[in-house]
Amino acid sequence: GAGVSQSPRYKVAKRGQDVALRCDPISGHVSLFWYQQALGQGPEFLTYFQNEAQLDKSGLPSDRFFAERPEGSVSTLKIQRTQQEDSAVYLCASSSPPWGTNLAKNIQYFGAGTRLSVL
Amino acid sequence: AQKVTQAQTEISVVEKEDVTLDCVYETRDTTYYLFWYKQPPSGELVFLIRRNSFDEQNEISGRYSWNFQKSTSSFNFTITASQVVDSAVYFCALSEGSNDYKLSFGAGTTVTVRA
Repeated sequence: GAGVSQSPRYKVAKRGQDVALRCDPISGHVSLFWYQQALGQGPEFLTYFQNEAQLDKSGLPSDRFFAERPEGSVSTLKIQRTQQEDSAVYLCASSSPPWGTNLAKNIQYFGAGTRLSVL
Repeated sequence: AQKVTQAQTEISVVEKEDVTLDCVYETRDTTYYLFWYKQPPSGELVFLIRRNSFDEQNEISGRYSWNFQKSTSSFNFTITASQVVDSAVYFCALSEGSNDYKLSFGAGTTVTVRA
């Protein structure tokens, strides 16, 4: 597709349920990022992939959060045993080259996000 | 500590007015990048501009202009002759040092342009 695609757009979960959020990056983009955006706040970094390798997961808030990108394209963010504080918009971004190899192209292009509401 | 501060929470203007969005950043790195993104009601973040710390030249793109001043650690954004389609949340962001893939966003400024 032309842009970063995320699904579902909206997800309602009961506290304690597991959820999986999907991100389809722009075709050919090597770098992929996940961010969490709480209501009324700016996005906060969660994790970074280069191809299938997860190079930075320092922003994941707890061990209930897990991200994967097994074939270096589509990525899934999984949240186990969801809590109310997990309610947020989860944004995915992608970038063309391996980060740092082409400064001119180090731009992150974002999807529209998945709005997660935990009841 | 907050690395990017957008002091204005909301700004409301009438169409054709100019609007300036303030952004103040904090970093100890000499190499860093500053960004502005627009988030319309549809939710996706739309990239507007990136500047590196070594280029203080102001930039103009159509009705948009940016003023980067290292002396005051500011990277302000002006929309000239605003239009209703400019209504959105605008975010300023910083990336720095060896982890410059990690964007640190401000809290955003909501701009409402009234017809």
